Amino acid sequence: ETGVTQTPRHLVMGMTNKKSLKCEQHLGHNAMYWYKQSAKKPLELMFVYNFKEQTENNSVPSRFSPECPNSSHLFLHLHTLQPEDSALYLCASSQGLLPGGGEQETQYFGPGTRLLVL
Amino acid sequence: GDSVTQMEGPVTLSEEAFLTINCTYTATGYPSLFWYVQYPGEGLQLLLKATKADDKGSNKGFEATYRKETTSFHLEKGSVQVSDSAVYFCALGKGTYKYIFGTGTRLKVLA
Repeated sequence: ETGVTQTPRHLVMGMTNKKSLKCEQHLGHNAMYWYKQSAKKPLELMFVYNFKEQTENNSVPSRFSPECPNSSHLFLHLHTLQPEDSALYLCASSQGLLPGGGEQETQYFGPGTRLLVL
Repeated sequence: GDSVTQMEGPVTLSEEAFLTINCTYTATGYPSLFWYVQYPGEGLQLLLKATKADDKGSNKGFEATYRKETTSFHLEKGSVQVSDSAVYFCALGKGTYKYIFGTGTRLKVLA
């Protein structure tokens, strides 16, 4: 148990559906992240939020829309996805706030949502 | 740019064998280095970390030493168990909330 929870754990959706992934962290962290993990590829950082402000958006298609209402919750809204978007979506959190080494940087991951787009 | 290179897997070992998974990095500045483990059907769990040169991270019998001269952070364990079967990721972190992950190395331990 890492203190980061994700729901749902599994999701099957059609290309015309709208769904949302939820992430919650119970660690008092200030930074939250969405990653995409596809088979045989490195983890891809999608979005970063620090103190609810988006600080990174790594050229992610607009069919993925993040939302961070507070430092504990992070959502990923999905709309008109493609089959190639099928992957494991991982949420992570870290203390954030200050650049530097050690605890501020260490990221703690949730169990992921396995997404299948038909 | 910054990068992490891990040895290709899968690595298959017998129980109680010695494990080494190689990791080298390229980075400017002074990154922190991490090993994460991912068990089947789960997310990544932090296994160990080192924040500066010559630091040794250790946890659950695993060790890795931050070697700046060889830009390496190899993961070792003296005696693996079946329960260590998982995918291991090397990563570097810099003070911009960015991690760079390796592609992962799958370890399979046979009884």
